[in-house]
Amino acid sequence: GAGVSQSPSNKVTEKGKDVELRCDPISGHTALYWYRQRLGQGLEFLIYFQGNSAPDKSGLPSDRFSAERTGESVSTLTIQRTQQEDSAVYLCASSLGRDREQYFGPGTRLTVT
Amino acid sequence: LAKTTQPISMDSYEGQEVNITCSHNNIATNDYITWYQQFPSQGPRFIIQGYKTKVTNEVASLFIPADRKSSTLSLPRVSLSDTAVYYCLVGNNAGNNRKLIWGLGTSLAVNP
Repeated sequence: GAGVSQSPSNKVTEKGKDVELRCDPISGHTALYWYRQRLGQGLEFLIYFQGNSAPDKSGLPSDRFSAERTGESVSTLTIQRTQQEDSAVYLCASSLGRDREQYFGPGTRLTVT
Repeated sequence: LAKTTQPISMDSYEGQEVNITCSHNNIATNDYITWYQQFPSQGPRFIIQGYKTKVTNEVASLFIPADRKSSTLSLPRVSLSDTAVYYCLVGNNAGNNRKLIWGLGTSLAVNP
């Protein structure tokens, strides 16, 4: 079946603009995760969804970042008033549940100019 | 809350066994240990997961000592295609407060 998909694959935006990043998880996966990965760095956890609720938002770096999930399926990560330090690859992963294998999407490369 | 520490980089040669150790001194009794592999410009890919003792699958083994303060990913007979970054992940399964602690990754270079 289809894996995790993310769109867009690349996004270039001007500083101060808002961006929306989309994640389509594997069908039936109740858990969904967002991560940020800066160039040459490790994964930085942002938020975790179980179903449509987010029991752990502790990784969101500021109130400019928000995420939602609907229908226990697609999720959107929104970054408002983007800053240059937001430039990174944003990865989405889904799994059948907590502590289960995470399947990652290809990521969205965000560049803020 | 567990913190993970792993070597920044390692070098090896084709055909050798590679062991990458991750330290997680504050691991909780209900934390699992998971390892992922990441190639450039791709998302990480699951390798293996364990809770205690030893786990083996078709690509790797995971050794976890009794105190569970560390774990070792063992890759038998590596090839050039195993050149990648390897991440250790400690996950907490307690209630709804899901915490994921990723290591900074070990960059493995396999040489001919």
